[in-house]
Amino acid sequence: KAGVTQTPRYLIKTRGQQVTLSCSPISGHRSVSWYQQTPGQGLQFLFEYFSETQRNKGNFPGRFSGRQFSNSRSEMNVSTLELGDSALYLCASSLARQGADEQYFGPGTRLTVT
Amino acid sequence: AQSVTQLGSHVSVSEGALVLLRCNYSSSVPPYLFWYVQYPNQGLQLLLKYTTGATLVKGINGFEAEFKKSETSFHLTKPSAHMSDAAEYFCAASTDKLIFGTGTRLQVFP
Repeated sequence: KAGVTQTPRYLIKTRGQQVTLSCSPISGHRSVSWYQQTPGQGLQFLFEYFSETQRNKGNFPGRFSGRQFSNSRSEMNVSTLELGDSALYLCASSLARQGADEQYFGPGTRLTVT
Repeated sequence: AQSVTQLGSHVSVSEGALVLLRCNYSSSVPPYLFWYVQYPNQGLQLLLKYTTGATLVKGINGFEAEFKKSETSFHLTKPSAHMSDAAEYFCAASTDKLIFGTGTRLQVFP
C-alpha cells in the first residue's frame, strides 16, 4: 500500500505571496492532519480534516487554511507569506478516529520564504 | 490543556548501551500516547503507541515504552543501542488532537 505523499517536496516563495501544498493520504484513510515543524517551535498542529470537514484546528492565524476533497486528498494554503512561515509542513493520515488511530506521516514539504 | 514534556533535548549513548528517553504528559484525561522517530529529511515514523490495556508496549526496532499513570510518564527504552538508532524522537499525546513534545535527539557513539 502506498504511503502518504506530499507535493511539492521543496518550495521557495517570496514574502507576500501565497502557496498551496498538497497531500494524498493512504488509500482508505479518511482523516488528514497538517503540522508545521520549525526548529524554534517544534511540531505544531495546524488542522485536521475528516470527510471534507474541518474537525479540529490549532492556534494559527487565518492566513493558514485547508480543505479536503471527496477522495480524501487535502490541500493547505498559506496566504500573504511571512518569513516566519518557513518550515517543514507535514501531512498525516489516519483511518478515522483522531484520538487512538495512529497517524502516518508523509515526507513533508520544505517551504522557504525569502 | 494537554501538554507533553520531553526531558533532555539531546541524549548520547555508546553503541550497545541502554537507551532511555523520558516523556511526561499533562492531561485532564489519560490520553493516547505515541512515540515517533524522525530521520533527517524525512517524515515521522511511528515506533509504538499506547491506547488501553497492557501498560508495557513493544514497538519496532526493539523499542518499548511503559505507561505509568501515577507518574504521568511514558518513557521509551531500548536495551542495546545501535548506530542506526541515531535520530530525533518525539513523544506525543492525543485526546482530540495530537500534541508533540519538543523532541530528543539521540546520538549513538561507536
